[in-house]
Amino acid sequence: SFVLTQSPSVSVAPGGTATITCGGTHLGSKTVHWYQQKAGQAPVQVIQYDSDRPSGIPERFSGSSFGYTATLTINRVEVGDEADYFCQVWDSSSDHVWVFGGGTKLTVL
Amino acid sequence: HLEQSGAEVKKPGESLKISCQGSGYRFTAKWIAWVRQKPGKGLEWMGIIYPGDSDTRYSPSFQGQVTISADKSTTTAYLQWSRLEASDSAVYYCATVDTSLIRGFEYWGQGTLVTVTS
Repeated sequence: SFVLTQSPSVSVAPGGTATITCGGTHLGSKTVHWYQQKAGQAPVQVIQYDSDRPSGIPERFSGSSFGYTATLTINRVEVGDEADYFCQVWDSSSDHVWVFGGGTKLTVL
Repeated sequence: HLEQSGAEVKKPGESLKISCQGSGYRFTAKWIAWVRQKPGKGLEWMGIIYPGDSDTRYSPSFQGQVTISADKSTTTAYLQWSRLEASDSAVYYCATVDTSLIRGFEYWGQGTLVTVTS
């Protein structure tokens, strides 16, 4: 089955730029979505379809995907961005399953 | 908006059905997915249902372990177990998915905590 790999943790100072990556074989042929989950809360979609921001998501959040790697970039990081971030794809080639990455903990120092 | 049922405490071997009520959108026009999150762990997709025609698909990891259903008349989706195990203890989320399945899980419920303990 399809596997998405994320680094366990990323640290950044307030005002800096956070780069969170998601790797997977043939990722470039699939659309990637990203979710933010703050402690004790339900996930929130922050990027859909590789790079589209849902309504209400700040422009500081952006997404891209190329080859085997998808990237979530958060510019001008704020303390309130501290959360777990999960990538996700729909693997339509195999049983039509949804797959999540293991998640990356973003710590704002 | 998705409103999930409240926390449950059950014993191993008991059955359980939790719910997810949709409002503010056409219930039959979006898929509803279920996601499990064990304490301190990541997100696991369990299955998905299209209330419009009850088309249901399960993750291979959960096929045969749970049943997903939906009631159009009450705009409610359900996730049920016939025999719970301690390993089913987790938070369960429902989420809407666009009809085309290409935009991911757009809106999430608040989650239902299920604790299975003897």
